[in-house]
Amino acid sequence: EAGVAQSPRYKIIEKRQSVAFWCNPISGHATLYWYQQILGQGPKLLIQFQNNGVVDDSQLPKDRFSAERLKGVDSTLKIQPAKLEDSAVYLCASSGAGSVADTQYFGPGTRLTVL
Amino acid sequence: AQSVTQPDIHITVSEGASLELRCNYSYGATPYLFWYVQSPGQGLQLLLKYFSGDTLVQGIKGFEAEFKRSQSSFNLRKPSVHWSDAAEYFCAVGAGNQGGKLIFGQGTELSVKP
Repeated sequence: EAGVAQSPRYKIIEKRQSVAFWCNPISGHATLYWYQQILGQGPKLLIQFQNNGVVDDSQLPKDRFSAERLKGVDSTLKIQPAKLEDSAVYLCASSGAGSVADTQYFGPGTRLTVL
Repeated sequence: AQSVTQPDIHITVSEGASLELRCNYSYGATPYLFWYVQSPGQGLQLLLKYFSGDTLVQGIKGFEAEFKRSQSSFNLRKPSVHWSDAAEYFCAVGAGNQGGKLIFGQGTELSVKP
């Protein structure tokens, strides 16, 4: 079974530029998560999708971050404009359903450096 | 509010020695508890989870964890560490009424001496 795919793996941009990350979840998984992991910290949930609807985006900085999952499969996370403090690893995860009891499977992440 | 504390930022153990990683949580009801491992350049992998029942939980790679409600703890243990266990370990708590949201601790980096 293929795992969660993410691209790119690394991205370096200057502040105020825009950037987009892509995630393809495990086939058949209805729930998709985006986490932000700042160096030295644990992952923090940014947004949770159930199919193509948003379940939780309470910690997404909506003035600069946006995410979509148009067809209920893959997803894109965008930052515009980027700030220095956005430097982090962005992890995508998927699970079969949206319950906390379901195992979340994580992709390798995209490491973003904002200069 | 839910929170997770991992008191040890970095631990070094000798290969073959036993290991215990500490995790304390704050949550009003019975929590859903998880341990994940993250190797360099890789995503997180679930080691084990606890929802209810037997408070001693067995996981993959020879790991186990014990839920102690009185101490609000969920410590991870392994009787004999292998060099390949060197990685970052994260404890997480989830609330059943908040979808799949997980609150992670800050992680414990494990180094293994030969």
